[in-house]
Amino acid sequence: ETGVTQSPTHLIKTRGQQVTLRCSSQSGHNTVSWYQQALGQGPQFIFQYYREEENGRGNFPPRFSGLQFPNYSSELNVNALELDDSALYLCASSLGPGSEYEQYFGPGTRLTVT
Amino acid sequence: AQSVTQLGSHVSVSEGALVLLRCNYSSSVPPYLFWYVQYPNQGLQLLLKYTTGATLVKGINGFEAEFKKSETSFHLTKPSAHMSDAAEYFCAVSDPGGNEKLTFGTGTRLTIIP
Repeated sequence: ETGVTQSPTHLIKTRGQQVTLRCSSQSGHNTVSWYQQALGQGPQFIFQYYREEENGRGNFPPRFSGLQFPNYSSELNVNALELDDSALYLCASSLGPGSEYEQYFGPGTRLTVT
Repeated sequence: AQSVTQLGSHVSVSEGALVLLRCNYSSSVPPYLFWYVQYPNQGLQLLLKYTTGATLVKGINGFEAEFKKSETSFHLTKPSAHMSDAAEYFCAVSDPGGNEKLTFGTGTRLTIIP
């Protein structure tokens, strides 16, 4: 069984640019959640996708957007990058959107904005 | 709104000694509680979780945690520390009946002294 994978592993962008991060969910999982983990902090919830629809959003501006595809893989897009967007971005997949379902995390994409 | 407080951003214990990592939560409803571990340059791995039922929860790698409603605590313990336990540990809470959004604490870095 393949776990959650994310690409790329590392990325360096310039302030003002746009970035797309990708996540492949674990087999059989229909829900993907994205988290931002700044250095020295715990992960913060960005949003969740369930069956291709956004199903909850944290306190992040609209320049953070996402997609989920029919195969349940997902993308996180960030426009107009700011220095504070530098962080480890984690995605997690699960069997469903409810809190009773365990989330399985990928290794993350480390984004550096200069 | 839910929140998690982890007391002690850094904890050092000797190999073979008791590990105690503290977590207190705030929630308007009885929450689900989780402990995750993060090794360097990796994603999060679930150690254990409390949903309902028995308040003493056993997890992987010899860890356990006890849910104490009266103290709003969910401290993580391990009787005998191993060198391989050195990592970052995160306590998290979610809202039963809501989506699976996890609210994390700021983490505790555990160092094992040989």
